Amino acid sequence: GDSVTQMEGPVTLSEEAFLTINCTYTATGYPSLFWYVQYPGEGLQLLLKATKADDKGSNKGFEATYRKETTSFHLEKGSVQVSDSAVYFCALPSSGYSTLTFGKGTMLLVSP
Amino acid sequence: DVKVTQSSRYLVKRTGEKVFLECVQDMDHENMFWYRQDPGLGLRLIYFSYDVKMKEKGDIPEGYSVSREKKERFSLILESASTNQTSMYLCASSMTSGSTDTQYFGPGTRLTVL
Repeated sequence: GDSVTQMEGPVTLSEEAFLTINCTYTATGYPSLFWYVQYPGEGLQLLLKATKADDKGSNKGFEATYRKETTSFHLEKGSVQVSDSAVYFCALPSSGYSTLTFGKGTMLLVSP
Repeated sequence: DVKVTQSSRYLVKRTGEKVFLECVQDMDHENMFWYRQDPGLGLRLIYFSYDVKMKEKGDIPEGYSVSREKKERFSLILESASTNQTSMYLCASSMTSGSTDTQYFGPGTRLTVL
């Protein structure tokens, strides 16, 4: 079935460092792809999405490009802040359900 | 503003108790979901509902049931709580079943079963 693989965390960075969190997927066709973020003590919220191949999703300084050649949707940010400390989930629509399949999440810790 | 609320942030129950987790959304969404979140396992779908009184099993429905009597409310029921059901429970909703639809999440209920 469709699945998502994320890099394991935690990812530990200093403020203003460059961030990459890797995400690769296995799916039939070219599904929409999502990044969700979970701040401490909160539920998940949509960070960005891309609905077709070669699209770039962006929000709050984060970007991810849908690359069908490498079946990847890596999350990047040029300069992270302490407030970006959270758990990040890559996701795609589930086959067979009207819902999403999530990766296991990658924790990001940013220190001042 | 979009709002999904869950009845409790923290809950402590004893083994064998019947437990109700309530979720309410104010966006007139068709779909509602219950997930559990565990370290190293990410989010796993327990049940979802695409309409009032309609429900579908997710990946891990064993030991759980659900109820959706009104469009805005989706309840998760643990018929007889067990220690392996200690977890974070997240409710979500989405407007339709579209593959590009955003899911909106509640803050979660951290359930401990002693």
